[in-house]
Amino acid sequence: DTGVSQDPRHKITKRGQNVTFRCDPISEHNRLYWYRQTLGQGPEFLTYFQNEAQLEKSRLLSDRFSAERPKGSFSTLEIQRTEQGDSAMYLCASSLGRGGHTDTQYFGPGTRLTVL
Amino acid sequence: KNEVEQSPQNLTAQEGEFITINCSYSVGISALHWLQQHPGGGIVSLFMLSSGKKKHGRLIATINIQEKHSSLHITASHPRDSAVYICAVGGGADGLTFGKGTHLIIQP
Repeated sequence: DTGVSQDPRHKITKRGQNVTFRCDPISEHNRLYWYRQTLGQGPEFLTYFQNEAQLEKSRLLSDRFSAERPKGSFSTLEIQRTEQGDSAMYLCASSLGRGGHTDTQYFGPGTRLTVL
Repeated sequence: KNEVEQSPQNLTAQEGEFITINCSYSVGISALHWLQQHPGGGIVSLFMLSSGKKKHGRLIATINIQEKHSSLHITASHPRDSAVYICAVGGGADGLTFGKGTHLIIQP
């Protein structure tokens, strides 16, 4: 499968614990996006990378959230000191990156986080 | 910040009916995306529009830049079209801004 993959697919953690999610984009894609989606809502933008550079961060991304894309390939999203409000589906998407935000984005299956 | 509104929020129709889902946004954009999300979370990009109209199979998407409005149409709807359809707009500094989605159910 050459699509976008995410790991793990599901994560249950206790409040206060740290969690890390991984996203592997389509190999030739330069842009990588992280989104968060809560039940009944559309996705919300968190951050995006152009190659290894993190170019934009949403105001939603508190200091407890950090994302990296060290070699311009896979990316990790870490949440420190998780709170119950962090429970959501975390979606990753990638695009070629030639047309800015007008490129078609290809989404991964998501990581569903439940904070107890 | 762009505000994206979709209507209706929920739609139930019979197989074969012509379906229209609407999307309005508040700030001028460079592109509008229509996405399909099935139960379990997987999102698939259906269309990216910057002007006019696009057609793919039974799906048609139109956009009116002046009116800040787009529609997604499904002809000869089928139960497998049942999904959440999401409109998203781009062009600002915060990536894509998404609507809440339209939950479509097509009954046989």
